[in-house]
Amino acid sequence: AQSVTQLDSHVSVSEGTPVLLRCNYSSSYSPSLFWYVQHPNKGLQLLLKYTSAATLVKGINGFEAEFKKSETSFHLTKPSAHMSDAAEYFCVVSETSGTYKYIFGTGTRLKVLA
Amino acid sequence: DTGVSQDPRHKITKRGQNVTFRCDPISEHNRLYWYRQTLGQGPEFLTYFQNEAQLEKSRLLSDRFSAERPKGSFSTLEIQRTEQGDSAMYLCASSLAPSGSREQYFGPGTRLTVT
Repeated sequence: AQSVTQLDSHVSVSEGTPVLLRCNYSSSYSPSLFWYVQHPNKGLQLLLKYTSAATLVKGINGFEAEFKKSETSFHLTKPSAHMSDAAEYFCVVSETSGTYKYIFGTGTRLKVLA
Repeated sequence: DTGVSQDPRHKITKRGQNVTFRCDPISEHNRLYWYRQTLGQGPEFLTYFQNEAQLEKSRLLSDRFSAERPKGSFSTLEIQRTEQGDSAMYLCASSLAPSGSREQYFGPGTRLTVT
């Protein structure tokens, strides 16, 4: 069965410094992986997705993630944090057949300090 | 805007009452999913439809929960005899299958508070 583990429940960074949100996955097959962001009282917004094409995936708002099969990781990065990046971030794996339902990680709350 | 919509956005109800939520997916999407998100947790899968057929239900979906998708368009999720433990955000998502990306598009959610 597929699963994802987000290694940090909270991350704090200063504005202008790099962001690293860590995610490890477990999947028997080639996975589809996603990062979503959830701002307070807002819906889930897709940041980026990996679907077995390029291993370095670029997303919106300057975010990117690298799929590393040998490490079963899909970490999210951004070179320079903005105050508006403060939100909850979810790493997601999609089932590889049948329902294609999403399995969410427990989330990482990103705090950006002025 | 042609995204996923959900109604109502907020619902406060007393324990024991029945509630019904509605989800309108993106019009050409044939798959519709319901998820539940409790405070401080990631969303968890409840059930999904392929067109009008409900093809999978999670063990989280007790007998008090029922979902429908008549004619393969909008969907409703009903909770009977609500309990305080049902307080959560209920999220709806839709997708087009088959699709290589398996991307799901989420609505804004319905926040249920059971008092």
